[in-house]
Amino acid sequence: DTAVSQTPKYLVTQMGNDKSIKCEQNLGHDTMYWYKQDSKKFLKIMFSYNNKELIINETVPNRFSPKSPDKAHLNLHINSLELGDSAVYFCASSQEGLADNEQFFGPGTRLTVL
Amino acid sequence: GENVEQHPSTLSVQEGDSAVIKCTYSDSASNYFPWYKQELGKRPQLIIDIRSNVGEKKDQRIAVTLNKTAKHFSLHITETQPEDSAVYFCAASPYSSASKIIFGSGTRLSIRP
Repeated sequence: DTAVSQTPKYLVTQMGNDKSIKCEQNLGHDTMYWYKQDSKKFLKIMFSYNNKELIINETVPNRFSPKSPDKAHLNLHINSLELGDSAVYFCASSQEGLADNEQFFGPGTRLTVL
Repeated sequence: GENVEQHPSTLSVQEGDSAVIKCTYSDSASNYFPWYKQELGKRPQLIIDIRSNVGEKKDQRIAVTLNKTAKHFSLHITETQPEDSAVYFCAASPYSSASKIIFGSGTRLSIRP
C-alpha cells in the first residue's frame, strides 16, 4: 500500500559514475517532484513534472536528467557524479488544482559519493 | 519568484512548554501555506495547512496563524512532548499550483525532558 516508493534506499558510489534513482506513486496524482536535502536539512526542489511534462527545473546541473515514462513514474538519472551530489533525494507527488495540495514524499534515497 | 524565510533554525524548549516557528513569504500570489514535519531519518509529512481566506487554524496541540497583509505565518505547538522533536518546514504556494511550492529552510525543534 506504499503511496510513494523509491529505489534504492541507499546508494554508495565513486565519483564519476552514472547512477539512477527510481520513483513510483500509486495515488493517481498528476504531478511529481524531485527534491534534494543536503546535510543542513535544507529541502530544495529540483524538478517538477505534470502529466509527464517538465514544468520546473530549478538551476540543476544538466548532469541531472529526470525521465517520466508515465505519470506514475519519475526517475532521476545522474551522470558523472561529484562529491557535492551526496545528499538525500526525495521524490514526491501531489494532485494539481485540488483543494488538498498535500505533497506525499517517498522514503528518500541517501546518495553517498566517495 | 517566491522566497520563504523561516526562523529560528534551531529551537529547544522544555517539555510541556510552547514552541513557535515563524515564516515570511514574498509573493502575494501565494495563498496556500502548509507545514511539514520530518522526524529523524524519515520523510517529510504534512501536519497542518492554512489557506489565505482563513486567519487561524487549530488541530489539537498544533495551530497555525496567517497574516496576509504582513506576509507572515506561524506554527504554534502547545504542551510540547518528546515526540514533537523533529525538523519543521513551512512552505508557500499558489492554491491552484502545488507545483510552485517553495519550502522554508527548516527549524530543528528539540524537546528537553
